[in-house]
Amino acid sequence: SYVLTQPPSVSVAPGKTARITCGGNNIGSKSVHWYQQKPGQAPVLVIYYDSDRPSGIPERFSGSNSGNTATLTISRVEAGDEADYYCQVWDSSSDQGVFGGGTKLTVL
Amino acid sequence: EVQLVESGGGLVQPGGSLRLSCAASGFTFSSYWMGWVRQAPGKGLEWVAIMKQDASEKYYVDSVKGRFTISRDNAKNSLYLQINSLRAEDTAVYYCARLVTGRAFYDAFDIWGQGTMVTVSS
Repeated sequence: SYVLTQPPSVSVAPGKTARITCGGNNIGSKSVHWYQQKPGQAPVLVIYYDSDRPSGIPERFSGSNSGNTATLTISRVEAGDEADYYCQVWDSSSDQGVFGGGTKLTVL
Repeated sequence: EVQLVESGGGLVQPGGSLRLSCAASGFTFSSYWMGWVRQAPGKGLEWVAIMKQDASEKYYVDSVKGRFTISRDNAKNSLYLQINSLRAEDTAVYYCARLVTGRAFYDAFDIWGQGTMVTVSS
């Protein structure tokens, strides 16, 4: 089945830019969705279809997808952005959804 | 307010069964694909199953095929997950979620419930 690879952790100082990657074979040909999950809470959709932002999600959150890597970019990082982030795609070869392993974003 | 509320979780012995329910409100339930996602304690998210508005299409993750059954009752605005032959590795919080546009199985999940815990242990 299709595998999505995320770095276990990313650290960034407040006000700086965080980039969280999601690797997969030719992931650029798929639609990638990104979720934020804070401890004890349900996930929240932050980016869908590679770069679309749901209403209520700050413009600081953006996404891109090309080749073998999709990237979630968080600009001007705030303490409240500290959370786990997951990427997700649809694997058409097995007809099922797939999540990446998740990345813990730490705001220093 | 758009809302999903799960229920039905609990402690069950290996080999047992449970039926999870998800009550939807605040949107036209019958217009959306719906699904289930689970999260084992301290672990990441795992996509479990989704189904189309009219139940004509259903998809499952390989690890639950033949054991889990997703269903819905549009008249009751409810989604269900029948889970049979439970194993220890099925222990997780189970989230009900809506697919964002309602048009495609490859949609993102935009609305999530608070989750219901299933613990499989003797």
